[in-house]
Amino acid sequence: EDQVTQSPEALRLQEGESSSLNCSYTVSGLRGLFWYRQDPGKGPEFLFTLYSAGEEKEKERLKATLTKKESFLHITAPKPEDSATYLCAVHRTGGGNKLTFGTGTQLKVEL
Amino acid sequence: DAGVIQSPRHEVTEMGQEVTLRCKPISGHNSLFWYRQTMMRGLELLIYFNNNVPIDDSGMPEDRFSAKMPNASFSTLKIQPSEPRDSAVYFCASSLRVQETQYFGPGTRLLVL
Repeated sequence: EDQVTQSPEALRLQEGESSSLNCSYTVSGLRGLFWYRQDPGKGPEFLFTLYSAGEEKEKERLKATLTKKESFLHITAPKPEDSATYLCAVHRTGGGNKLTFGTGTQLKVEL
Repeated sequence: DAGVIQSPRHEVTEMGQEVTLRCKPISGHNSLFWYRQTMMRGLELLIYFNNNVPIDDSGMPEDRFSAKMPNASFSTLKIQPSEPRDSAVYFCASSLRVQETQYFGPGTRLLVL
């Protein structure tokens, strides 16, 4: 069974204090790994898709990386508006169109 | 472009009542997904459709839940009868094709008393 574990569950940073969120996964064959951002009371918002180990993608202060066992979401010099829950999901080869989500990391960036 | 549209945004009902949640996917998207999100279990896929046909309903918790997609621009998720443990946020998502990025709606927050 596919498993996705995110850590930490919650993270509190000062504005400008860079850090990384972790997503560890167990899947029989990875077709894609997705990162989403979710604000309170809203639906998940797509950030990145990574397909193969060694791949990296960037968007503003966020950079996602992928290895064969885990993915990291690096946040450089975060701002309060980066506060949200970050969700990771995996898509398995032969798994139809099913995404398996982790439970998320709740990030709070303070002034 | 309009994103995925869900209605109602909030629903409060009493145990035993029928609840119908509605979703309009992004125009041109061929795949539609229904998810449920709770604090305990996170986001769980309930069912998904490709070209209006249900493909995988293994996540539907029990027979009280049913979903339909009568056309490419509309889907419903029905709970009958509802129970307090069904209280959750229900999301609809759509994607352009099978195995492409899924885009989520704003969700329906359901409370069953």
